[in-house]
Amino acid sequence: QKEVEQNSGPLSVPEGAIASLNCTYSDRGSQSFFWYRQYSGKSPELIMSIYSNGDKEDGRFTAQLNKASQYVSLLIRDSQPSDSATYLCAVDLSFGAGTTVTVRA
Amino acid sequence: GAVVSQHPSRVICKSGTSVKIECRSLDFQATTMFWYRQFPKKSLMLMATSNEGSKATYEQGVEKDKFLINHASLTLSTLTVTSAHPEDSSFYICSAITSSGFTDTQYFGPGTRLTVL
Repeated sequence: QKEVEQNSGPLSVPEGAIASLNCTYSDRGSQSFFWYRQYSGKSPELIMSIYSNGDKEDGRFTAQLNKASQYVSLLIRDSQPSDSATYLCAVDLSFGAGTTVTVRA
Repeated sequence: GAVVSQHPSRVICKSGTSVKIECRSLDFQATTMFWYRQFPKKSLMLMATSNEGSKATYEQGVEKDKFLINHASLTLSTLTVTSAHPEDSSFYICSAITSSGFTDTQYFGPGTRLTVL
C-alpha cells in the first residue's frame, strides 16, 4: 500500500508571505510527483508536476523533490487570497489527504 | 493540460431512482479512468478504477451492484448510482490518465453534485 502523508493543516499565512507545504511518501520506487489545488466545491486541478530531484519553478509555485528523503514540497511565494484552497500531494496515482491553506488579507 | 468533462454537473433525484454520470476525455484517449466521491470538508475517496473493455475494480467497501461502472470506449466512462438514497448524496468526481513515457498524469473532471431527496 503506497502511503502519502501531508502535514496537517490548516495552514494560515498572511498575504504576501510564503506558504510551505510538505509531503512524504512510503514507496521509494515512486516516479511521479504532483501537486493539485482544490477550491471548495470544485474538483482538483493539477498545478505542478516534478519527476527528478531538485527544484521546479512555475510562476509563484516551486516544487522541491528529494527522493533520498522521500519528500516533496510546494512553496507558494507572495501568497494571495486566491491561493486559499486545499492542496493535494499525489505520488504516482496515490493521494495525500490534503492541506488546507488560508491566506489572510 | 488534458481536458476531462463530466455530465451532468448537478443532479437532484428522488430516493429509489437511478442516476447516470458520464465522464469523457475530450482530447485524449484514456485506457484508465477513476471514480471518486467526496463528502463536504472530507478527502477524496477512491471508489473504483475503470478500465476500457474490462470490469471495473472497486475499492473495499464500495458496492459494485450499487455503483455500476461502464467503460465502453477510450473516451467515455459512466457511473450509475442505482436505487439512490439520501446517504448517496455527494460530490462525484472522475479522472482520466494520460501516459507519457514513464509517467502517468491524472486529470480530473469538474465533478457532479448529486442530491438525493
